[in-house]
Amino acid sequence: NAGVIQTPRHKVTGKGQEATLWCEPISGHSAVFWYRQTIVQGLEFLTYFRNQAPIDDSGMPKERFSAQMPNQSHSTLKIQSTQPQDSAVYLCASSALGGQNTLYFGAGTRLSVL
Amino acid sequence: QQKVQQSPESLSVPEGGMASLNCTSSDRNFQYFWWYRQHSGEGPKALMSIFSDGDKKEGRFTAHLNKASLHVSLHIRDSQPSDSALYFCAARMTNSAGNKLTFGIGTRVLVRP
Repeated sequence: NAGVIQTPRHKVTGKGQEATLWCEPISGHSAVFWYRQTIVQGLEFLTYFRNQAPIDDSGMPKERFSAQMPNQSHSTLKIQSTQPQDSAVYLCASSALGGQNTLYFGAGTRLSVL
Repeated sequence: QQKVQQSPESLSVPEGGMASLNCTSSDRNFQYFWWYRQHSGEGPKALMSIFSDGDKKEGRFTAHLNKASLHVSLHIRDSQPSDSALYFCAARMTNSAGNKLTFGIGTRVLVRP
């Protein structure tokens, strides 16, 4: 099992450009999460899918950020018109369903907005 | 205010020593707790979970949970240089339909050879 796979590992965009981040969850995991990590804020929850359906997007900035899960093997996080404050490590995690199941994280995508 | 608070912010221990990390939650709805460890350039990896009051031991790591005081701790015995990392406490509510984890800001541990 390769674990959660995130691509690309690093992405550099100019201010105002679009960035799309990809995540392949662990096979068989029905819950997929996106988090953002910065030094100041730590790990912030962005959004959650269960069986590909969006369940909780309470952490997503309402403008410019969107997430999708078109099939059980991948999810995308899209940031439109990127801003310098969007620079962060974006982490994807997956787990089996159930409150006591552990989240498994990918290595993350480091987004740098110049 | 962070709903999951960790202390200390950083910790330096000699190789072979004991590292003790603390975590307090401000919401009594948090009932399930994890400790995660993150090495530089990697994603966080779960060390252990604890759901019941008392101690739970896994190898050199011991977690302690006191639900009444909403306090969780992690003790690392016989610390090794490879234990140098960022440690997160994470909590999940029992009534959360989303099953998201809420993380503390982290404790940076440095093990001195």
